[in-house]
Amino acid sequence: DIQMTQSPSSLSASVGDRVTITCRASQDIDFYLHWYQQKPGKAPKLLIYDASNLERGVPSRFSGSGFGTDFTFTISSLQPEDIGTYYCQQYDNVRFTFGPGTKVNIK
Amino acid sequence: QVQLVESGGGVVRPGTSLRVSCEASGFHFSSYAMHWVRQAPGKGLEWVAVIWYDGRNSYYADSVKGRFTISRDNSKNTLYLQLRSLRAEDTAVFYCARGDNNRLDLWGLGTLVTVSS
Repeated sequence: DIQMTQSPSSLSASVGDRVTITCRASQDIDFYLHWYQQKPGKAPKLLIYDASNLERGVPSRFSGSGFGTDFTFTISSLQPEDIGTYYCQQYDNVRFTFGPGTKVNIK
Repeated sequence: QVQLVESGGGVVRPGTSLRVSCEASGFHFSSYAMHWVRQAPGKGLEWVAVIWYDGRNSYYADSVKGRFTISRDNSKNTLYLQLRSLRAEDTAVFYCARGDNNRLDLWGLGTLVTVSS
């Protein structure tokens, strides 16, 4: 099975900072990598699909890139409403795997 | 209104069974694959199972294979998850989610299943 790692596991940044999270797959997953945001006490929400496509209605400060095994998620200017946990998710051979998550806080 | 609403969670004893449900509205339910994802208290997301749009195929995480069964009734716009032989480590919020080209683009609010003696 494909394993997913994320780094860092948590971060604190100031409002307006650029925030970057990385996700690594143990095998090549092409561009089948998606990013979700989960705010405290809420359900997850899809932000980025197929590595770099912004889901409809999601602010443009969120972006993603990568292909194969290494992927990056970026918040260009961190806002107070962005606090929460961010998960990557891959699909391979009818198996769906989430990364362990990155908790984002405001400094 | 496009939404998913889970129900059926509760407190159950170890070794018993429970069925949770997810009612869909606002979209063509029978056109989409559907998933269950769970989240233990304070932990990350764990994918549990998926069922194809027509119900003909389903796949499971190794951790639940043989104990959980996913099913759907497209005439009722409802997704189900039958949980059997429940263990304390199955305690979690269970989310249903709509699948679109291997991404999960719509989530319900979740239903909490607590397994405790």
